[in-house]
Parts: sequence; C-alpha cells; structure tokens
Amino acid sequence: GAGVSQTPSNKVTEKGKYVELRCDPISGHTALYWYRQSLGQGPEFLIYFQGTGAADDSGLPNDRFFAVRPEGSVSTLKIQRTERGDSAVYLCASSQGMTSSEQYFGPGTRLTVT
Amino acid sequence: DAKTTQPPSMDCAEGRAANLPCNHSTISGNEYVYWYRQIHSQGPQYIIHGLKNNETNEMASLIITEDRKSSTLILPHATLRDTAVYYCIVRVASPGANNLFFGTGTRLTVIP
Repeated sequence: GAGVSQTPSNKVTEKGKYVELRCDPISGHTALYWYRQSLGQGPEFLIYFQGTGAADDSGLPNDRFFAVRPEGSVSTLKIQRTERGDSAVYLCASSQGMTSSEQYFGPGTRLTVT
Repeated sequence: DAKTTQPPSMDCAEGRAANLPCNHSTISGNEYVYWYRQIHSQGPQYIIHGLKNNETNEMASLIITEDRKSSTLILPHATLRDTAVYYCIVRVASPGANNLFFGTGTRLTVIP
C-alpha cells in the first residue's frame, strides 16, 4: 500500500515568509510525528499527534512553529517568519497507535530559507 | 530515554557480515533497543527492536548483552544497498513516550 507522503519535496522561500509543509500518513495510522533533520545530524523530534490532538509538542523550537491535524489524518506543519536557521529536511512519520513499535517515515521536505 | 553511543563510521566488504555496535550503559529495565537506518535522501526505516532477548527478522539480527548495557546489529550478508546511517535508539514503550531520539548514528559503507 501507499506509504507516508510529503509535499512539496523541496521548498525554497525567502527569509520572513510563511510556509506550510504537508504530510499524508499511512491510512488508518492514528499517530503522526514531525521531525527536523539538519545536515549531518540525526532527525530531531518536533511534535506528536494522537488522532487530532497534539499529545507532545515539546520539540517545537519556538512559537513560529505550529502544526495541525484537524481530521486526524493529514497534518500541516506551519512556519511563520522563516529564518535561515529553519533550513533543514522536515520529516513526517506515522504509526498504528500510541505504543506501536515501528514508525514509518516519509521522504521529507527539504526547506531552504534564503 | 537513555543515551546511546555508536562509532561514527564503519566499512564492510560486500557479502560479509556487518556488525554495528551500540553502547547504552544507562538503559532502564523498561526501555527497548531500536535500530533504524537512513539511506541517503530517504526517511529513516525501521529495522528491528528488542528488550532483552536476541531478535531476528528478514533484515537483521539484534544481539543484546545479558546486562543490556550494549547491543550489536548484525546484517548477515551486506550488500551495496545496505550503505546507510544506522541509528541505535533506546526508548520506553509506553503511552506518551513515543518520539524517537536519534543521535548521529553510524555511517556504514559497504565496499564492493
């Protein structure tokens, strides 16, 4: 079946602009995660949804970052007033439930802030 | 979640077994050992996980020492497609503790 998909695959934006990154999880997966990966580093947790609610947003770096999952399926990560330091690959993952052992990752969105 | 330590890089000849070590000396009794890998320009991929018994699946074997302070991921017959960064992660399997803490992993290069 279809895996986790993310759009766009690449996004270039100017400093100060607003961006939205989309994640389509595997159908039926109730848990959804966002991670950020900088060059040469491992992925870093941002936020985790169980259903429609954000169960853990402790990884969001500041209030410019926000994520929603209004119907418990597709999620959007929103970044306001982008800064050059926001440049990274943003990864989305989904899993079947709260204690599922396996997270399935999408290919990521490469965000470049110029 | 406990911290893990992995060598930054390793090489392995194609067709030979690749043995990737991981130290997790502060692991707690309810923490599992997970392995993920990330092939260049792709998202991480789950490989295997275990609590205290050795585990094997179609991709790899996981050997956990009796004191659980270290483990080894074994790829029995490495291929060029196994070239990737391998992450060892220690994680509590309970509600609310679901995010993965990746370190910098081990970059495995399989050599023809």
